[in-house]
Amino acid sequence: KNQVEQSPQSLIILEGKNCTLQCNYTVSPFSNLRWYKQDTGRGPVSLTIMTFSENTKSNGRYTATLDADTKQSSLHITASQLSDSASYICVVSAKGGFKTIFGAGTRLFVKA
Amino acid sequence: KAGVTQTPRYLIKTRGQQVTLSCSPISGHRSVSWYQQTPGQGLQFLFEYFSETQRNKGNFPGRFSGRQFSNSRSEMNVSTLELGDSALYLCASSLDREGTGELFFGEGSRLTVL
Repeated sequence: KNQVEQSPQSLIILEGKNCTLQCNYTVSPFSNLRWYKQDTGRGPVSLTIMTFSENTKSNGRYTATLDADTKQSSLHITASQLSDSASYICVVSAKGGFKTIFGAGTRLFVKA
Repeated sequence: KAGVTQTPRYLIKTRGQQVTLSCSPISGHRSVSWYQQTPGQGLQFLFEYFSETQRNKGNFPGRFSGRQFSNSRSEMNVSTLELGDSALYLCASSLDREGTGELFFGEGSRLTVL
């Protein structure tokens, strides 16, 4: 069964600290993995997209990693800011038709 | 380049009524997908259209329906509204024909059912 599991469910960190969010998936055959950021009440915005051959991709203070062998991905946020408070959603697509599976998201709270 | 536009942004309905939500994709995008997001929940896939054809459908009752027009604009309809239908409804468009491409989301339509 195609599944995407994210951990932790929620996280509180102090401004300026780093954090890492996890995503495990069982989607097959794998096409790509994406991380989205969703501010409360807004639509998700893409942060990174990675295919099978990509191990790391950065977008400013956001760095995503992918281990296709263990089917794990992480999103590392460096020097967090208050504006990083949001939900982070891991999305995995399978090849062959519209099979896109969404994780439940990690809710990040950055405190001053 | 204009983004994905959803209308209306907010609406309030009562139980038993029906509602129609609209989504205009990014110019050139032919894939449009719809999602329901309830408070504290992840995005639940409703359906996806490509060139006016529904390619995939999530596990929602038949009260939820949609369609896509020749200009790629899409609408979704919910009939006989229930309290549990209160949610943020998101639409996303994609350029990718295979259904695996990057999704560009609108700001959503927030539906409250009283």
